[in-house]
Amino acid sequence: DAKTTQPTSMDCAEGRAANLPCNHSTISGNEYVYWYRQIHSQGPQYIIHGLKNNETNEMASLIITEDRKSSTLILPHATLRDTAVYYCIVRGSSYKLIFGSGTRLLVRP
Amino acid sequence: GAGVSQSPSNKVTEKGKDVELRCDPISGHTALYWYRQSLGQGLEFLIYFQGNSAPDKSGLPSDRFSAERTGGSVSTLTIQRTQQEDSAVYLCASSFRTGEGDTQYFGPGTRLTVL
Repeated sequence: DAKTTQPTSMDCAEGRAANLPCNHSTISGNEYVYWYRQIHSQGPQYIIHGLKNNETNEMASLIITEDRKSSTLILPHATLRDTAVYYCIVRGSSYKLIFGSGTRLLVRP
Repeated sequence: GAGVSQSPSNKVTEKGKDVELRCDPISGHTALYWYRQSLGQGLEFLIYFQGNSAPDKSGLPSDRFSAERTGGSVSTLTIQRTQQEDSAVYLCASSFRTGEGDTQYFGPGTRLTVL
């Protein structure tokens, strides 16, 4: 599975959009981009995933560049409860999830 | 519907004792995974069950670790003769199928502390 690069930490103000970038320049054509988050002392929570097209669900939007070498997770109206570590993962056929260091997002009141 | 559940949520044990950790996957999910996460570390794959197929045990760190899945649903991870380095959060996940695009949903984890 392709390696991902994320900023170590970010912060945003409550109520504003949080835009979390992820680079995956070695992604293969059949590999999906997944996002999970982990709030302190809880299990990882699935957020969203996509292959080529942009995706949106009740939690977030995922924007994937046309060359698929990077993506951005958007939380449209961040709340204090969105403070967590966010993991960008690229997965192909392997079922073994590999989490990198992730981005620690702090939502400020 | 109900998500993945795990029990106990916390387990404190003495070195050398055996422990059993339980996972109830989402109903209808055929694939079940065990991972562990040590403090400040990433996710470590342990074992994977898919339907009636032989499990992938390639991630189990030693022969003290074993897991079974009865009736294609509930799974139990057993650690024999626990050591202090076994202290970690043990996470269970399940998915509807295995393959490209399947999504693994995690339980809340069991925090194991070996004294």
